[in-house]
Amino acid sequence: AQSVTQLDSQVPVFEEAPVELRCNYSSSVSVYLFWYVQYPNQGLQLLLKYLSGSTLVKGINGFEAEFNKSQTSFHLRKPSVHISDTAEYFCAVSDIWSRGSSNTGKLIFGQGTTLQVKP
Amino acid sequence: EPEVTQTPSHQVTQMGQEVILRCVPISNHLYFYWYRQILGQKVEFLVSFYNNEISEKSEIFDDQFSVERPDGSNFTLKIRSTKLEDSAMYFCAIQLRTGELFFGEGSRLTVL
Repeated sequence: AQSVTQLDSQVPVFEEAPVELRCNYSSSVSVYLFWYVQYPNQGLQLLLKYLSGSTLVKGINGFEAEFNKSQTSFHLRKPSVHISDTAEYFCAVSDIWSRGSSNTGKLIFGQGTTLQVKP
Repeated sequence: EPEVTQTPSHQVTQMGQEVILRCVPISNHLYFYWYRQILGQKVEFLVSFYNNEISEKSEIFDDQFSVERPDGSNFTLKIRSTKLEDSAMYFCAIQLRTGELFFGEGSRLTVL
């Protein structure tokens, strides 16, 4: 069974400082990896994803993440955060799937990390 | 641009009542999902739906829950007899060809 661990429940950081949100996963098969952001009272929005290819993936709003297979990690980083980045961030994993099959591509989410950007 | 509309945005119900949450994806999709998020907790998988039938469900998705796509467009989640612990945000999602899930804005269910 898959699982996702987000090591930090809350990360306070000052505006314009760099940030890293940690994510580790466990799975017996190859996986796809995702980061989603949830702003207060809103739904989940995709930040970035790793499906294959380059292990460094870039997403929206200046975020990037690096897939490390040996460490089973997919940490999220941003070199300089803004007040508007304050939100809940969720790491998620799914089995590799193919369209046209009943093999579900469901996501398993981590507990979430609250990023609090202070002025 | 994908779009998933969920109704109602907020529903308050009495314990033991039936609730139906609706999801309308714009454009054709084959894979649908329901997730829930209890306040302050993580997003939990409930059920996946492919080709008009359930393809996978979690332990949370017991006999009180059901899903259907009655008219080929709306995708509904029904809770037959709500319990206090069913209070949560319920998110519908579709799977995009690019691999990720696209989520609706959610329906907040409050059970009193």
